[in-house]
Order: sequence, then C-alpha cells, then structure tokens
Amino acid sequence: GAGVSQSPSNKVTEKGKDVELRCDPISGHTALYWYRQSLGQGLEFLIYFQGNSAPDKSGLPSDRFSAERTGGSVSTLTIQRTQQEDSAVYLCASSPGGPNNYGYTFGSGTRLTVV
Amino acid sequence: AQSVTQLGSHVSVSEGALVLLRCNYSSSVPPYLFWYVQYPNQGLQLLLKYTSAATLVKGINGFEAEFKKSETSFHLTKPSAHMSDAAEYFCAVRDDYKLSFGAGTTVTVRA
Repeated sequence: GAGVSQSPSNKVTEKGKDVELRCDPISGHTALYWYRQSLGQGLEFLIYFQGNSAPDKSGLPSDRFSAERTGGSVSTLTIQRTQQEDSAVYLCASSPGGPNNYGYTFGSGTRLTVV
Repeated sequence: AQSVTQLGSHVSVSEGALVLLRCNYSSSVPPYLFWYVQYPNQGLQLLLKYTSAATLVKGINGFEAEFKKSETSFHLTKPSAHMSDAAEYFCAVRDDYKLSFGAGTTVTVRA
C-alpha cells in the first residue's frame, strides 16, 4: 500500500483479556518494527523483523508479548492477559532494509486502553 | 549503541518567532540522524534526515537542521513559527538497523 496501515486505531479491552494489533507495511519493505509510546516512557523499541524472522526481540517487556510476521508482509503483535500498564500507543514502522536503510515510515498507531 | 538527547521537554514560542529544538547525539560511527513530528493522535511524520551528505538539511514545512560534528549536535530550526507547528518533535539516530529516539520536545505556539 501507499503507507503503513495499522488496525484497529483504538482498542479498549478489559484487564486479563488478550489483544491482537495488526500492521500492514509498505509493499516491498523487508524490515518491520514495533514501538510502544506511553506517557513518561517516550518511544520504546519492541521488536524488529527482517522478512519473517525476528532477529531482535529485546524490547518485548514480558513473555505476555509476542509478534509474528507472515509472507514478509503483515505483522501481528499479541498481548496476552493484558494489564493496565500495557495501555499505550503501539506504533509500527517499515523500511526497505539493507545497509543504506534511511527510509523509516510509521503508521498512525493503535491506542490501547486497558480498563 | 547510538543515542540522542533532546534538551528541553517543552518549548513555547510566539507566532512568527524562531523555533529552535536541540538534539545532541552520541555515536561511535558517523551517525544517521532524523527529526520526526507527531501531531495529536497521529503517527510520526518525517521532517528531515541527515545521511552524511550536506551538513545543512532542509525538510518539510520550512524546517531545517544542521549537523555539527564538533558539537555532536543536530538542532532543528524554523525561522518563523506558525500555529500549525504546535506538535511533539522527536530526534532519532539510526542504531544499527533500528531507530533510537530522544524523549521528545512539545512545542506550543502563542498567538
């Protein structure tokens, strides 16, 4: 597509429920990133995909968080047993990848509220 | 690891005045540096980027930034603020394959 698309744009869930957040990157972009933006924490890196592989998962806060990418395209971030501290905006970005990779494009984010 | 530090979490300027947002970087290799803007309830939009070509980089919406190696800085400026410039601004550095961000600076513009 023309840009990075994220869905849903807003999600309200009850504490303890599982949620899935979706990211559809720019066509042809091999690299995909998830970030979390919460008050007082700035923009935190969560995970990086190159193709369908995730060579860097170092930012995932706990084992309740997981992500996958299929077909070198769409990615899903899953949060199990949500907690109130998971409330944040989850941003996805994609880029062409490779050594001359300067073109990071961000989606509009999913605002997650855990009540 | 590469990192950036933004000086000042809030900046208030009058409409028509100079906007100056400060960013200093820490990098063991020539850095690739970026400025992004985030309007309320929106994602991040790229303003400009430095990739070791010209040290003065011009971006969208009248913004520009100058890379100064001697000062390890990449400050963002706009000569004349407009009400539409009210937003949050993030400086970032490419850290291997990903971006590492500063804490952000919120800009308010007074009429």
